[in-house]
Amino acid sequence: DAGVIQSPRHEVTEMGQEVTLRCKPISGHNSLFWYRQTMMRGLELLIYFNNNVPIDDSGMPEDRFSAKMPNASFSTLKIQPSEPRDSAVYFCASTLRLAGDTQYFGPGTRLTVL
Amino acid sequence: AQSVTQLGSHVSVSEGALVLLRCNYSSSVPPYLFWYVQYPNQGLQLLLKYTTGATLVKGINGFEAEFKKSETSFHLTKPSAHMSDAAEYFCAVSGRGGSEKLVFGKGMKLTVNP
Repeated sequence: DAGVIQSPRHEVTEMGQEVTLRCKPISGHNSLFWYRQTMMRGLELLIYFNNNVPIDDSGMPEDRFSAKMPNASFSTLKIQPSEPRDSAVYFCASTLRLAGDTQYFGPGTRLTVL
Repeated sequence: AQSVTQLGSHVSVSEGALVLLRCNYSSSVPPYLFWYVQYPNQGLQLLLKYTTGATLVKGINGFEAEFKKSETSFHLTKPSAHMSDAAEYFCAVSGRGGSEKLVFGKGMKLTVNP
């Protein structure tokens, strides 16, 4: 059974460019999470969805970040324009229910903004 | 609101020695508690979780953790460390409401020396 799928695995871009990260959750899971991990700040929750609806986006750093979940099997995290401080590993995770259930993480996208 | 404290950022043990990773939580309601492990260049995966019932929880790879409400703790232990246990370990907590998100600690990097 396929786990959470993220693409691309690595992204190198220049400051000012638009970056789009993609996530396919595990089939049947109702909740999806986007995290960012850096050495300085650790693991941060950016936004999460339940049944394709954004529930909490208080972790989104600023207006340059946006996330969508147009259907149950696909989500995107977009950064426009990108900045060097956005360099991090971005993880997507999904779970069947919110409370008490295991979150299954994807392999992550390593983003480098030059 | 929930929070997790993992004191320190790095633990080093010898192969065969006891592994003890500490986690204290703060929660205004009975919590769900989790330990996740992250191997280099991978996403997080669940080691074990406490939701209800027995307070001593056994997980994968010989790890276990005990929920102690009086001490607000959920420490992770393994009697004998193996080289393959070298990784970063995250404690996490959530409430029991329908829309509760998972709150992660800062993580603890475990080094196992031969």
